[in-house]
Amino acid sequence: EIVMTQSPATLSVSPEERATLSCRASQSVSSNLAWYQQKRGQAPRLLIYGASTRATGIPARFSGSGSGTEFTLTISSLQSEDFAVYYCQQYNNWPMYTFGQGTKVEIK
Amino acid sequence: EVQLLESGGGLEVPGGSLRLSCTASGFNFSNSAMTWVRQIPGKGLEWVSTVSADDGDIYYADSVKGRFTISRDNSKHTLYLQLNTLRAEDTAVYYCAKNSLGTVTSWGQGTLVTVSS
Repeated sequence: EIVMTQSPATLSVSPEERATLSCRASQSVSSNLAWYQQKRGQAPRLLIYGASTRATGIPARFSGSGSGTEFTLTISSLQSEDFAVYYCQQYNNWPMYTFGQGTKVEIK
Repeated sequence: EVQLLESGGGLEVPGGSLRLSCTASGFNFSNSAMTWVRQIPGKGLEWVSTVSADDGDIYYADSVKGRFTISRDNSKHTLYLQLNTLRAEDTAVYYCAKNSLGTVTSWGQGTLVTVSS
């Protein structure tokens, strides 16, 4: 099983500041990496797939980078609606997807 | 717009059974692989099972293999998950999700399954 590890567990950021979230895979997943946003009481929403491609309707302030085992999600200027939990997910081992444990982005 | 609506969750005793349903609309259901993902309340996400568009290929997580059965009825645009021999650790919100782009791109709102005596 490919283990996904996210850091940090919690990120405290002020509105309009930049947030950088990390995700590491236990073995190479190429660019088969997605990022999801989940707000309290809601289902996850796809933000990024292919490590760096924004899903339909996702604002340009969200960007993804990386390949192999190291990945980053950057939110360039945090808006109030961006405070949520973010999960990375590998789909290189389709369809046995594995998710990271999540990073909570909270208001500083 | 893709819409996925789960139903069938509830309270069940250990060893019991439940059948979850997911009704799909807004896309070509018959051409899409479909997936169930679960989330223990307050915890992370766990892939449970995936079925191919034509029902020919089915995959399960080791944690549910032999106890859960995924199926679909393309004529009814409905995905199912039969949960048997339920355990306390199966307590979770179960999400139905549409596969595309290699991953899951749309999610339902989920249905809560609670296993407790």
